[in-house]
Amino acid sequence: KQEVTQIPAALSVPEGENLVLNCSFTDSAIYNLQWFRQDPGKGLTSLLLIQSSQREQTSGRLNASLDKSSGRSTLYIAASQPGDSATYLCAVCIDSWGKLQFGAGTQVVVTP
Amino acid sequence: DAGVTQSPTHLIKTRGQQVTLRCSPKSGHDTVSWYQQALGQGPQFIFQYYEEEERQRGNFPDRFSGHQFPNYSSELNVNALLLGDSALYLCASSFRDRKTGELFFGEGSRLTVL
Repeated sequence: KQEVTQIPAALSVPEGENLVLNCSFTDSAIYNLQWFRQDPGKGLTSLLLIQSSQREQTSGRLNASLDKSSGRSTLYIAASQPGDSATYLCAVCIDSWGKLQFGAGTQVVVTP
Repeated sequence: DAGVTQSPTHLIKTRGQQVTLRCSPKSGHDTVSWYQQALGQGPQFIFQYYEEEERQRGNFPDRFSGHQFPNYSSELNVNALLLGDSALYLCASSFRDRKTGELFFGEGSRLTVL
């Protein structure tokens, strides 16, 4: 059974610091991995999608890496801003129909 | 281009009642999945619909049922509500034949069971 873990559960950093969020999964047989952002009480916003054949994806200040063999992904957010405060969720796609297995998320606070 | 839309945004029910939640997928998408997110946890897969049929189902009781209409929109029904059904219910859509597998989520329906 696939299990997804995100450590730490919460993180507080001063504005301008780089953020490093970790995601680990137990079964390397994944189709892709997605990182999402969730603001309090809101839905999920897709940030980055990494296909199983890829090693990383970049979008603006965001960069996500994927190491399937070790079951790890890392989301880097450069030069953090207070607007980056949110919960970040990692999800692995475990079948061809797009079924996602989520981690519990990392709650990030960026202080001015 | 409208994204995934869900209704209602918030609702309050009492134990034993029934609830229906609605979802319209992103334009061009034909597959709808439903997830339940309890407070402080990641979303859990409930079930998925494609071509008006339930394609797969997560570990949820039969009190949870759904439907997909010819226009690809979908409903989630929960019968005999329990306090533990209080959660954010998220709808996600995708296009079956597009191999990227990217899912797009709506803003969710917040259900409170008293």
